[in-house]
Amino acid sequence: NAGVTQTPKFQVLKTGQSMTLQCAQDMNHEYMSWYRQDPGMGLRLIHYSVGAGITDQGEVPNGYNVSRSTTEDFPLRLLSAAPSQTSVYFCASSYAPRLLDNEQFFGPGTRLTVL
Amino acid sequence: AQSVTQLGSHVSVSEGALVLLRCNYSSSVPPYLFWYVQYPNQGLQLLLKYTTGATLVKGINGFEAEFKKSETSFHLTKPSAHMSDAAEYFCASNNAGGTSYGKLTFGQGTILTVHP
Repeated sequence: NAGVTQTPKFQVLKTGQSMTLQCAQDMNHEYMSWYRQDPGMGLRLIHYSVGAGITDQGEVPNGYNVSRSTTEDFPLRLLSAAPSQTSVYFCASSYAPRLLDNEQFFGPGTRLTVL
Repeated sequence: AQSVTQLGSHVSVSEGALVLLRCNYSSSVPPYLFWYVQYPNQGLQLLLKYTTGATLVKGINGFEAEFKKSETSFHLTKPSAHMSDAAEYFCASNNAGGTSYGKLTFGQGTILTVHP
């Protein structure tokens, strides 16, 4: 049981480049989400999904796209990277019927730098 | 809209001393509250959570937190700090009964340093 995995661990992009951050979980969790972590700002929700084929925007969705074709995978796409997207990105998952107590399981993070 | 405020971005204690990390929430309905810990270069791990019932919640590694509705607070404590407690701690909330299931709101984080 690997839990929540994220790839890559580190990435450097140039402004305007695109890339996809990968996230997978093997716990059969229905709920998955992406957060970005910036110093002094805690974690902010980018996008989330309550099941395959269903996604919605979080607090800071601009510049990011997501899709959920399977229960296991929830990739985050940066269409045209900007320096403001330099951050640490965390993927998290949760078993939907327990959302009321919402113990989310976090991946190890992807540290992204946009030059 | 709900919000979470952690008082003090950095807290420094001596090994064996009391740890107190402060968290206040703002919510129109009683929230569900959580403390997460993040060790260097790792993801977040759940320390403890308050949903309903007993207001004093015990978590892992000797940490506990008390939900005080009158003070809108959920402070995290540990009687005796250990070097291994050095990490960043996040308080988070989720409105029970609203449409924001699963959408945690995080505080800014508090970095705990433990001195020998």
